[in-house]
Amino acid sequence: NAGVTQTPKFQVLKTGQSMTLQCAQDMNHEYMSWYRQDPGMGLRLIHYSVGAGITDQGEVPNGYNVSRSTTEDFPLRLLSAAPSQTSVYFCASSYVRGYEQYFGPGTRLTVT
Amino acid sequence: GQQLNQSPQSMFIQEGEDVSMNCTSSSIFNTWLWYKQDPGEGPVLLIALYKAGELTSNGRLTAQFGITRKDSFLNISASIPSDVGIYFCAGQLKGGSEKLVFGKGTKLTVNP
Repeated sequence: NAGVTQTPKFQVLKTGQSMTLQCAQDMNHEYMSWYRQDPGMGLRLIHYSVGAGITDQGEVPNGYNVSRSTTEDFPLRLLSAAPSQTSVYFCASSYVRGYEQYFGPGTRLTVT
Repeated sequence: GQQLNQSPQSMFIQEGEDVSMNCTSSSIFNTWLWYKQDPGEGPVLLIALYKAGELTSNGRLTAQFGITRKDSFLNISASIPSDVGIYFCAGQLKGGSEKLVFGKGTKLTVNP
């Protein structure tokens, strides 16, 4: 059981570039979410999904897109990277909404 | 958005000492979760609380769900160097929202 996996672990982008952060879980969890973590700000919710085909916005959704075509995968897309998106991104999953979320190891993104 | 006030922001203690940290809010929560994050890693779930007044232990860690449903505390007894890290509280708001609200973390340093 790998749990929640994220790729890549590190990424450097130039302003305006696009990319997709990958997240997968093998626990058959219905609920998946993306957070960003910035110094002094704690964890802020970007987007979440309560099941395949269903997504919704969190606290800081601007500049990010998500889709959920399968239960296992929940990719996060940056459409046009900006320096303000420099952060550490965490994917998390849980059996039911809001309960006992399990986190991946994170992707450290730098936008220059 | 909803706020969780987590305190203290940081702690510097000697090995063997006990530690206490807490989270408070003006809102009522259905669930309280406590996480620990090691440097460069994702948060790891320590304890989950689901009922007002619930007291749960996990080894040297003890957490309680406040009677008012607006607060929770985490105690660590006989601290050791590997307790170093950032501890986060998180709660699911009463009202059915599936989203977790996170505190900004308590950074713990343990001096050998």
